[in-house]
Amino acid sequence: DVKVTQSSRYLVKRTGEKVFLECVQDMDHENMFWYRQDPGLGLRLIYFSYDVKMKEKGDIPEGYSVSREKKERFSLILESASTNQTSMYLCASSLTPADTQYFGPGTRLTVL
Amino acid sequence: DAKTTQPNSMESNEEEPVHLPCNHSTISGTDYIHWYRQLPSQGPEYVIHGLTSNVNNRMASLAIAEDRKSSTLILHRATLRDAAVYYCILRARGGADGLTFGKGTHLIIQP
Repeated sequence: DVKVTQSSRYLVKRTGEKVFLECVQDMDHENMFWYRQDPGLGLRLIYFSYDVKMKEKGDIPEGYSVSREKKERFSLILESASTNQTSMYLCASSLTPADTQYFGPGTRLTVL
Repeated sequence: DAKTTQPNSMESNEEEPVHLPCNHSTISGTDYIHWYRQLPSQGPEYVIHGLTSNVNNRMASLAIAEDRKSSTLILHRATLRDAAVYYCILRARGGADGLTFGKGTHLIIQP
């Protein structure tokens, strides 16, 4: 079975802090995705990556950056956290871009 | 992606079949119908997908209308662990974008 793990289930940070969210998948998938999920807004794509060192902006990339130095690891970075980035962050991976996506358990980030 | 419409919530009894409807009247010929679900405090998980023919797997069945403007996810014997939000989405063949979930259907299972 595919396993996608995220570094933290819950995280509390202060406004202005730099925040790193880590995601690791163990199935040698080429494609990885970062989403945020908010009540009433559904799932929104922040960034995705088709390969190591490659990244593409999703629908809401502002305030975020990503890093993919190794195939199995995709990091989401909040350069200067703000309260409107309080959300549930979900990482996913897939074998091909159009294939089934496998999600991690999510990180609930609170920015105070 | 074409839009889908689902009921906000549905309720069923344990060990009974559940039929979750989805309308997608603007579906194009190359769109696949995918279903994901999200259990409380967990990330979404894939359930099933299909194009034209009905599909079965160990989790569920997918019944697709002949005109493809609607589909139904069938859980043959619901358990309490099936209580989740179920999302119906359309994905273009070869589509490489991220997933877009609407509000989905909140399925409540009564013991």
